[in-house]
Amino acid sequence: DAGVIQSPRHEVTEMGQEVTLRCKPISGHDYLFWYRQTMMRGLELLIYFNNNVPIDDSGMPEDRFSAKMPNASFSTLKIQPSEPRDSAVYFCANTGVTGELFFGEGSRLTVL
Amino acid sequence: QKEVEQNSGPLSVPEGAIASLNCTYSDRGSQSFFWYRQYSGKSPELIMFIYSNGDKEDGRFTAQLNKASQYVSLLIRDSQPSDSATYLCAVNMDDTGRRALTFGSGTRLQVQP
Repeated sequence: DAGVIQSPRHEVTEMGQEVTLRCKPISGHDYLFWYRQTMMRGLELLIYFNNNVPIDDSGMPEDRFSAKMPNASFSTLKIQPSEPRDSAVYFCANTGVTGELFFGEGSRLTVL
Repeated sequence: QKEVEQNSGPLSVPEGAIASLNCTYSDRGSQSFFWYRQYSGKSPELIMFIYSNGDKEDGRFTAQLNKASQYVSLLIRDSQPSDSATYLCAVNMDDTGRRALTFGSGTRLQVQP
């Protein structure tokens, strides 16, 4: 199994631009999570899905952020418009059988 | 607000020593506890998990849980320079079946050769 796959690995964009981050989860894992990591705030949960349905999006910072999971093998996190304070590493993760999280390699976003 | 607290460090130990990493959590109903290691520029990787009070050992690592004190720790025996990383404590802070984990800010460990 290739694990959780995220793209792009690095994204540099200018303020106001739309950013789309992608995640291919591990096959057969029902839960998918999006986390954001910054030096100041650490790892924060943004949203998570169960069987493609959003369960908790209370961590999504504001309306500029949206996430979708159209099917079991793909999810996106979109930021529109992006701002410099959105600069962070965004992780996608699946849950294992004992509740642990398996993370993708992350997408490092820099908004200038 | 439900929180997980860790000392940010850095915690510096000599090679071969025992490193002790600590974590406290605010929600008394928390059920499951995890330790992750994160190297700079990499994603967190699971070291071990613990559910029950007491100690759980896996190789050089021992997790300790005390639910009454709301305290979980990680001991690393015979520390190696390759153990130098940030260690994240994570807690499932909801006993209703919610799967998301709440993470502490991490403790940076430095093992000196």
